Amino acid sequence: SYELTQPPSVSVSPGQTAIITCSGDKLGHKYAFWYQQKPGQSPVLLIYQDDIRPSGIPERFSGSNSGNTATLTISGTQAMDEADYYCQVWDSSTVVFGPGTKVTVL
Amino acid sequence: QVQLQESGPGLVKPSETLSLNCAVSGYSISTGYYWGWIRQPPGKGLEWIGSIYHSGNTYYNPSLKSRVTISVDTSENRFSLKLTSVTAADTAVFYCARQNLGVGSEFDLWGRGTLVTVSS
Repeated sequence: SYELTQPPSVSVSPGQTAIITCSGDKLGHKYAFWYQQKPGQSPVLLIYQDDIRPSGIPERFSGSNSGNTATLTISGTQAMDEADYYCQVWDSSTVVFGPGTKVTVL
Repeated sequence: QVQLQESGPGLVKPSETLSLNCAVSGYSISTGYYWGWIRQPPGKGLEWIGSIYHSGNTYYNPSLKSRVTISVDTSENRFSLKLTSVTAADTAVFYCARQNLGVGSEFDLWGRGTLVTVSS
Protein backbone atom coordinates (compact mmCIF):
# COMPACT_ATOMS: atom_id res chain seq x y z
CA SER A 1 0.00 0.00 0.00
CA TYR A 2 1.08 3.55 -0.68
CA GLU A 3 2.61 5.49 2.19
CA LEU A 4 3.13 9.18 2.82
CA THR A 5 5.68 10.65 5.20
CA GLN A 6 5.47 13.99 6.98
CA PRO A 7 7.65 15.51 9.70
CA PRO A 8 5.83 15.22 13.04
CA SER A 9 6.37 18.86 13.87
CA VAL A 10 7.49 22.19 12.45
CA SER A 11 8.16 25.32 14.48
CA VAL A 12 8.06 28.80 13.01
CA SER A 13 8.24 32.35 14.29
CA PRO A 14 5.40 34.74 13.50
CA GLY A 15 5.90 36.40 10.14
CA GLN A 16 8.34 33.77 8.94
CA THR A 17 7.86 30.99 6.40
CA ALA A 18 6.82 27.48 7.38
CA ILE A 19 7.57 24.63 5.00
CA ILE A 20 5.79 21.32 5.46
CA THR A 21 6.83 18.38 3.33
CA CYS A 22 4.98 15.25 2.29
CA SER A 23 6.99 12.44 0.74
CA GLY A 24 5.97 9.38 -1.20
CA ASP A 25 7.16 7.24 -4.08
CA LYS A 26 6.75 9.21 -7.34
CA LEU A 27 4.40 11.56 -5.51
CA GLY A 28 4.90 14.15 -8.24
CA HIS A 29 3.02 11.86 -10.61
CA LYS A 30 -0.10 12.19 -8.48
CA TYR A 31 -2.17 15.13 -7.28
CA ALA A 32 -1.47 16.17 -3.69
CA PHE A 33 -4.01 17.75 -1.38
CA TRP A 34 -3.53 19.55 1.93
CA TYR A 35 -5.80 20.02 4.93
CA GLN A 36 -5.57 22.17 8.03
CA GLN A 37 -7.09 20.95 11.27
CA LYS A 38 -7.27 23.08 14.39
CA PRO A 39 -7.96 21.51 17.81
CA GLY A 40 -11.54 20.38 18.18
CA GLN A 41 -12.41 21.28 14.60
CA SER A 42 -12.97 19.43 11.35
CA PRO A 43 -10.26 19.44 8.69
CA VAL A 44 -10.40 22.21 6.12
CA LEU A 45 -9.20 21.81 2.52
CA LEU A 46 -6.27 24.17 1.97
CA ILE A 47 -4.82 23.09 -1.36
CA TYR A 48 -6.08 20.81 -4.11
CA GLN A 49 -4.47 19.48 -7.29
CA ASP A 50 -1.02 20.33 -5.92
CA ASP A 51 -1.24 24.11 -5.91
CA ILE A 52 -4.81 25.42 -6.15
CA ARG A 53 -6.37 27.28 -3.24
CA PRO A 54 -10.12 26.91 -2.70
CA SER A 55 -12.11 30.09 -2.39
CA GLY A 56 -11.54 31.73 0.98
CA ILE A 57 -8.11 30.27 1.65
CA PRO A 58 -5.54 33.04 2.24
CA GLU A 59 -2.83 33.60 -0.34
CA ARG A 60 -0.12 32.92 2.24
CA PHE A 61 -0.84 29.21 1.74
CA SER A 62 0.76 27.71 -1.35
CA GLY A 63 1.58 24.24 -2.60
CA SER A 64 3.90 22.50 -5.00
CA ASN A 65 4.60 18.91 -5.98
CA SER A 66 7.54 17.41 -7.81
CA GLY A 67 9.60 14.26 -7.74
CA ASN A 68 8.87 12.44 -4.51
CA THR A 69 7.85 15.45 -2.44
CA ALA A 70 4.85 17.72 -2.14
CA THR A 71 5.32 20.91 -0.19
CA LEU A 72 2.94 23.21 1.66
CA THR A 73 4.36 26.66 2.29
CA ILE A 74 2.91 29.16 4.71
CA SER A 75 4.33 32.59 4.04
CA GLY A 76 4.14 35.24 6.74
CA THR A 77 2.89 32.69 9.27
CA GLN A 78 0.34 33.96 11.74
CA ALA A 79 -0.56 32.71 15.19
CA MET A 80 -3.87 31.49 13.80
CA ASP A 81 -1.99 29.08 11.51
CA GLU A 82 -0.99 26.93 14.47
CA ALA A 83 -2.65 23.61 13.61
CA ASP A 84 -2.14 20.11 12.29
CA TYR A 85 -1.59 19.78 8.55
CA TYR A 86 -2.29 16.63 6.55
CA CYS A 87 -1.39 15.75 2.99
CA GLN A 88 -3.51 13.34 0.97
CA VAL A 89 -3.33 11.50 -2.33
CA TRP A 90 -5.44 9.09 -4.35
CA ASP A 91 -3.61 5.88 -5.16
CA SER A 92 -4.93 2.64 -6.61
CA SER A 93 -8.53 3.65 -5.92
CA THR A 94 -7.84 4.45 -2.30
CA VAL A 95 -7.43 7.63 -0.30
CA VAL A 96 -4.14 7.90 1.57
CA PHE A 97 -3.52 10.50 4.25
CA GLY A 98 -0.13 11.47 5.56
CA PRO A 99 0.46 11.14 9.32
CA GLY A 100 0.18 14.88 9.84
CA THR A 101 2.50 17.71 10.86
CA LYS A 102 1.91 19.87 13.89
CA VAL A 103 2.86 23.48 13.18
CA THR A 104 3.75 25.53 16.22
CA VAL A 105 4.01 29.29 15.94
CA LEU A 106 6.49 30.38 18.60
CA GLN B 1 -24.94 26.45 1.79
CA VAL B 2 -24.05 22.79 1.71
CA GLN B 3 -23.86 21.15 5.11
CA LEU B 4 -23.13 17.64 6.31
CA GLN B 5 -24.26 16.34 9.69
CA GLU B 6 -23.26 13.04 11.25
CA SER B 7 -25.59 11.23 13.62
CA GLY B 8 -25.63 7.98 15.50
CA PRO B 9 -24.91 6.36 18.86
CA GLY B 10 -21.97 7.77 20.77
CA LEU B 11 -21.33 4.49 22.56
CA VAL B 12 -21.08 1.04 21.02
CA LYS B 13 -20.27 -2.22 22.77
CA PRO B 14 -17.32 -4.35 21.65
CA SER B 15 -18.17 -6.92 18.96
CA GLU B 16 -21.28 -4.97 17.96
CA THR B 17 -21.94 -2.93 14.82
CA LEU B 18 -21.30 0.80 14.63
CA SER B 19 -23.90 2.61 12.51
CA LEU B 20 -23.75 6.25 11.50
CA ASN B 21 -25.71 8.46 9.13
CA CYS B 22 -24.66 11.60 7.32
CA ALA B 23 -27.44 13.97 6.34
CA VAL B 24 -26.63 16.32 3.48
CA SER B 25 -28.46 19.63 3.17
CA GLY B 26 -28.22 22.32 0.53
CA TYR B 27 -27.14 19.89 -2.18
CA SER B 28 -28.69 16.82 -3.75
CA ILE B 29 -26.51 13.74 -3.43
CA SER B 30 -27.90 12.58 -6.77
CA THR B 31 -26.35 15.57 -8.54
CA GLY B 32 -22.81 14.32 -8.25
CA TYR B 33 -19.68 14.01 -6.11
CA TYR B 34 -18.63 11.06 -4.04
CA TRP B 35 -19.43 11.01 -0.34
CA GLY B 36 -16.97 9.65 2.16
CA TRP B 37 -16.31 8.62 5.72
CA ILE B 38 -13.07 9.42 7.54
CA ARG B 39 -12.20 8.67 11.15
CA GLN B 40 -9.70 10.04 13.63
CA PRO B 41 -8.82 8.20 16.85
CA PRO B 42 -8.26 10.54 19.79
CA GLY B 43 -4.93 12.30 19.42
CA LYS B 44 -4.13 10.58 16.13
CA GLY B 45 -4.30 11.23 12.42
CA LEU B 46 -6.96 10.88 9.76
CA GLU B 47 -7.92 7.49 8.33
CA TRP B 48 -10.13 7.15 5.27
CA ILE B 49 -12.83 4.50 5.61
CA GLY B 50 -14.53 4.59 2.24
CA SER B 51 -16.55 6.59 -0.28
CA ILE B 52 -19.76 6.14 -2.26
CA TYR B 53 -21.39 7.64 -5.36
CA HIS B 54 -25.13 8.16 -5.67
CA SER B 55 -25.24 5.18 -8.04
CA GLY B 56 -23.98 3.01 -5.21
CA ASN B 57 -20.43 2.61 -6.52
CA THR B 58 -18.07 2.35 -3.59
CA TYR B 59 -14.39 2.47 -2.74
CA TYR B 60 -13.17 1.10 0.58
CA ASN B 61 -9.99 1.23 2.61
CA PRO B 62 -8.52 -2.26 2.08
CA SER B 63 -7.61 -2.51 5.77
CA LEU B 64 -11.26 -2.06 6.79
CA LYS B 65 -13.07 -3.46 3.78
CA SER B 66 -14.09 -6.74 5.41
CA ARG B 67 -15.97 -4.88 8.16
CA VAL B 68 -17.34 -1.83 6.35
CA THR B 69 -20.48 -1.15 4.39
CA ILE B 70 -21.31 2.30 3.05
CA SER B 71 -24.73 2.88 1.54
CA VAL B 72 -26.65 5.81 0.11
CA ASP B 73 -30.29 6.82 0.35
CA THR B 74 -30.99 9.42 -2.32
CA SER B 75 -34.62 9.82 -1.24
CA GLU B 76 -33.46 10.92 2.21
CA ASN B 77 -30.36 12.68 0.79
CA ARG B 78 -28.08 10.88 3.19
CA PHE B 79 -25.44 8.20 3.26
CA SER B 80 -24.56 5.72 5.95
CA LEU B 81 -21.72 3.75 7.48
CA LYS B 82 -21.77 0.36 9.13
CA LEU B 83 -18.67 -1.03 10.80
CA THR B 84 -19.00 -4.51 12.22
CA SER B 85 -17.22 -6.34 15.03
CA VAL B 86 -15.91 -3.17 16.63
CA THR B 87 -13.20 -3.08 19.27
CA ALA B 88 -11.74 -0.33 21.42
CA ALA B 89 -9.37 0.43 18.54
CA ASP B 90 -12.36 1.69 16.56
CA THR B 91 -12.99 4.50 19.05
CA ALA B 92 -12.69 7.69 17.04
CA VAL B 93 -14.27 10.85 15.80
CA PHE B 94 -16.06 9.93 12.58
CA TYR B 95 -16.39 12.54 9.87
CA CYS B 96 -18.49 12.48 6.74
CA ALA B 97 -17.30 14.57 3.82
CA ARG B 98 -17.96 15.44 0.20
CA GLN B 99 -15.33 14.11 -2.17
CA ASN B 100 -14.46 15.34 -5.63
CA LEU B 101 -13.37 12.27 -7.58
CA GLY B 102 -13.44 14.06 -10.91
CA VAL B 103 -9.92 15.28 -11.54
CA GLY B 104 -8.63 14.91 -8.02
CA SER B 105 -9.90 13.17 -4.91
CA GLU B 106 -10.08 15.90 -2.33
CA PHE B 107 -12.66 16.25 0.43
CA ASP B 108 -13.90 19.80 0.05
CA LEU B 109 -16.63 19.86 2.66
CA TRP B 110 -16.66 18.11 6.03
CA GLY B 111 -19.20 17.50 8.74
CA ARG B 112 -18.44 18.49 12.31
CA GLY B 113 -17.69 14.92 13.30
CA THR B 114 -19.15 12.65 15.90
CA LEU B 115 -17.27 10.80 18.61
CA VAL B 116 -17.99 7.11 18.87
CA THR B 117 -16.60 5.26 21.85
CA VAL B 118 -16.37 1.48 21.88
CA SER B 119 -16.72 0.26 25.42
CA SER B 120 -18.73 -2.20 27.46
